Amino acid sequence: GEDVEQSLFLSVREGDSSVINCTYTDSSSTYLYWYKQEPGAGLQLLTYIFSNMDMKQDQRLTVLLNKKDKHLSLRIADTQTGDSAIYFCAESNDYKLSFGAGTTVTVRA
Amino acid sequence: DVKVTQSSRYLVKRTGEKVFLECVQDMDHENMFWYRQDPGLGLRLIYFSYDVKMKEKGDIPEGYSVSREKKERFSLILESASTNQTSMYLCASSGREGRETQYFGPGTRLLVL
Repeated sequence: GEDVEQSLFLSVREGDSSVINCTYTDSSSTYLYWYKQEPGAGLQLLTYIFSNMDMKQDQRLTVLLNKKDKHLSLRIADTQTGDSAIYFCAESNDYKLSFGAGTTVTVRA
Repeated sequence: DVKVTQSSRYLVKRTGEKVFLECVQDMDHENMFWYRQDPGLGLRLIYFSYDVKMKEKGDIPEGYSVSREKKERFSLILESASTNQTSMYLCASSGREGRETQYFGPGTRLLVL
């Protein structure tokens, strides 16, 4: 079965870059996703990358995919207090998503 | 914008009660999902449905059942709630294609006493 792993916590200073890492096991995943969950809310799609891409950039967000190592990362440039949240990595295969445990990002002043 | 709504944000129930959690989506999506979210475990799939009256077990279906009588509505049922079902429950929906993004509701935080 699929298994997605990510570190549980990240603390970053406001204005610095944040990098959240994720590893997955299912090499047949077609899409990989990053979701954001703010306190008390559901999950909001941040960005996704197709498995035949290496990189995707969307404003302050950069996604890097190393398919050989099954490693996915999300970089947030110029991290702001509003970026404090839980970030989930997910891999897809057909209809279903498999999620990591989530990385809690805390932005300190 | 896709909208996924869940019937309650917070729910308190007693052990042994029957609990209904309802989810409605307004985008005519074929697929609907129920997850539970627990700290350190992420989201785990309970059940999903790919069409009206169709359902498939996810990774942790024990103690739960589901109902999909109409395309827009997907209900999660706890026949006899237990304390280990205290959790955050999240509903999601997506279109027919496998690569379609899943859109999530705000979640229902259930406490079973």
